[in-house]
Amino acid sequence: QSVLTQPPSVSAAPGQKVTISCSGSSSNIGNNYVSWYQQLPGTAPKLLIYDNNKRPSGIPDRFSGSKSGTSATLGITGLQTGDEADYYCGTWDSSLSAGHWVFGGGTKLTVL
Amino acid sequence: QVQLVQSGAEVKKPGASVKVSCKASGYTFTSYYMHWVRQAPGQGLEWMGIINPSGGSTSYAQKFQGRVTMTRDTSTSTVYMELSSLRSEDTAVYYCARVLIAAPTAGAGYWGQGTLVTVSS
Repeated sequence: QSVLTQPPSVSAAPGQKVTISCSGSSSNIGNNYVSWYQQLPGTAPKLLIYDNNKRPSGIPDRFSGSKSGTSATLGITGLQTGDEADYYCGTWDSSLSAGHWVFGGGTKLTVL
Repeated sequence: QVQLVQSGAEVKKPGASVKVSCKASGYTFTSYYMHWVRQAPGQGLEWMGIINPSGGSTSYAQKFQGRVTMTRDTSTSTVYMELSSLRSEDTAVYYCARVLIAAPTAGAGYWGQGTLVTVSS
């Protein structure tokens, strides 16, 4: 059971928009930055969004992030078949004496 | 450019230990924290801990306390993750991942290629 809750799967048609939610609590999302990762089959995860809504160099603006309270959302517009992957949210959690990182359980995106 | 190159695949027996290395290049090694993350077959990402290569301080996930040790060698820009008392459930791909910006709470911007550790009798 992950500390951060994501839907197991989402799907949409090519060219459409999809959003993936990530729900947490005040000890993690509510007081820390959220990052999002894309993992294509058989590859290492890749950072898509950091600090809630910033994109690293090279990440297209089709990918966006937002945060409100204890939830965060990843948005992907202009869906492409190459976007089919697993997506994970992650953030720091301050609930224990020593902080620790937590990930969501992951969301599988299918581009129909 | 930032590169993280991990050691090769390992096969271990239950009860043994494994030590995975992650050699960094392309940046100032001591300026950026390094996470270790693992992924069991067909499962999600699981955070194991983080090390500050500057002073060597660490923070481990509660689940791995007492079984994991993260160290670094600044002379070779390499971080290590050792996991002991291996069991079959530890079969996974292990990743090192450097924070994107110089803060321990920052997202993991650069990832190693992963090291498959298989625990089997």
